[in-house]
Amino acid sequence: ETGVTQSPTHLIKTRGQQVTLRCSSQSGHNTVSWYQQALGQGPQFIFQYYREEENGRGNFPPRFSGLQFPNYSSELNVNALELDDSALYLCASSGGGGQPQHFGDGTRLSIL
Amino acid sequence: QKEVEQDPGPLSVPEGAIVSLNCTYSNSAFQYFMWYRQYSRKGPELLMYTYSSGNKEDGRFTAQVDKSSKYISLFIRDSQPSDSATYLCAMSGFGETSGSRLTFGEGTQLTVNP
Repeated sequence: ETGVTQSPTHLIKTRGQQVTLRCSSQSGHNTVSWYQQALGQGPQFIFQYYREEENGRGNFPPRFSGLQFPNYSSELNVNALELDDSALYLCASSGGGGQPQHFGDGTRLSIL
Repeated sequence: QKEVEQDPGPLSVPEGAIVSLNCTYSNSAFQYFMWYRQYSRKGPELLMYTYSSGNKEDGRFTAQVDKSSKYISLFIRDSQPSDSATYLCAMSGFGETSGSRLTFGEGTQLTVNP
């Protein structure tokens, strides 16, 4: 069984640029959630996708957007990057019936 | 005030010790309670997953949930150097889709010394 995979593993951008992060969910999982983890902090919920529709959003501005595809993979897009966007971005997937979320190893985004 | 409070440590113990990790929370809507382990430069790995109050044991790990006190614990028996990591508590309410959004504590950094 393949787990959650994320790409790229590390990315360096400058302020004002745009970035797209990708996530392949675990086999059989139809729900994908994205989290931002700053250094030394717990992950913060960005949003969740279920069957290609956004299903809940945390306290993040609209320049954070996402997509989920028919195969349940997902993208996180961030526009107009700011220095504070530097963090580890984590993707988690889950199946039905109250099953827990399983995480990938994340994409480390550095903004210069 | 944060919805979930967790002592960030760091916590340092000798090999073989019993480790106790704790979180408190304020949102009474939380129904699902999880503990994740996160090694450096890795994503969180699910250790324990419980619904509502009670105890759950898995090998050297025991999770306890006391909803009346809004308090959860993770105990690690016979701790090993390989247990050295950051431990994150996480919780969620009941949602139409599985898991719903997770609210995490800050994480406790644990070091087990040989």
